[in-house]
Amino acid sequence: DTGVSQNPRHKITKRGQNVTFRCDPISEHNRLYWYRQTLGQGPEFLTYFQNEAQLEKSRLLSDRFSAERPKGSFSTLEIQRTEQGDSAMYLCASSFPGQRSVSSYNEQFFGPGTRLTVL
Amino acid sequence: DAKTTQPPSMDCAEGRAANLPCNHSTISGNEYVYWYRQIHSQGPQYIIHGLKNNETNEMASLIITEDRKSSTLILPHATLRDTAVYYCIVRGGSGGYNKLIFGAGTRLAVHP
Repeated sequence: DTGVSQNPRHKITKRGQNVTFRCDPISEHNRLYWYRQTLGQGPEFLTYFQNEAQLEKSRLLSDRFSAERPKGSFSTLEIQRTEQGDSAMYLCASSFPGQRSVSSYNEQFFGPGTRLTVL
Repeated sequence: DAKTTQPPSMDCAEGRAANLPCNHSTISGNEYVYWYRQIHSQGPQYIIHGLKNNETNEMASLIITEDRKSSTLILPHATLRDTAVYYCIVRGGSGGYNKLIFGAGTRLAVHP
C-alpha cells in the first residue's frame, strides 16, 4: 500500500497521560499536514511541514501539542497531559507541490486517521 | 473560517445524478474551488477542482457559475458507495495553497 499510513488507528488513554501518533506520508511527498476532526465537524488544520521544517502552526496547537518531522519523512504528533477535549480524530495528509500544473497544486492525500479517546 | 456555504444534508436515489450546491460569494479572482469527500471512518479524498471553467473527471463534474459565486458538484450516477460528507473548499490566492479550510460539508445519503 503506497498511501498515507497512520498508527495507531485507535488510542484510548486516561486524562493526564501523554500520547504520540505517527504518520508515514507517501514516499515522494515533501509536505505533511496534521488536522484534527471532532464529531460532526470538518477537519481543522493544526500544522504542516515542508521537509523537516514546520512552516505553519494553528492557534489550535496549544503548548501541550508538539509535532516533529526529524528527517523529512515520517512525522509524530505528541499530546502531553491529555484532556477530555482532546478526544478527536487526528488526520495526517501529504502532498507534493509542483507535481502537476498550478491548478492541481498541492492536492492532499489523507491517511485513515488516529481516533483518540481521553477518559 | 470556511469561505463556503453548503446544505447540511441531501438525499439521492441510487443511479440518479446527485447535484451538490456550494455558495462562495466572497471568492477572489485567483482562488480555486476544490471538492473533497469523506466516507465514514476514512480520511477525506480529493474529488475535483476548478477555477472558472467547468471540469470533469472520472469521479464527478464541477459546474462553476459565470460570476464564480457558486458551484455545483455533480455525481452523474450515484451509487451507495457515494454516501459520504462532501466538502466544498475555496483555496489559493492570498490564503495560499497549503492548508485546507473545511466547513461542515454536505452529508449525502444515497439510498436504493
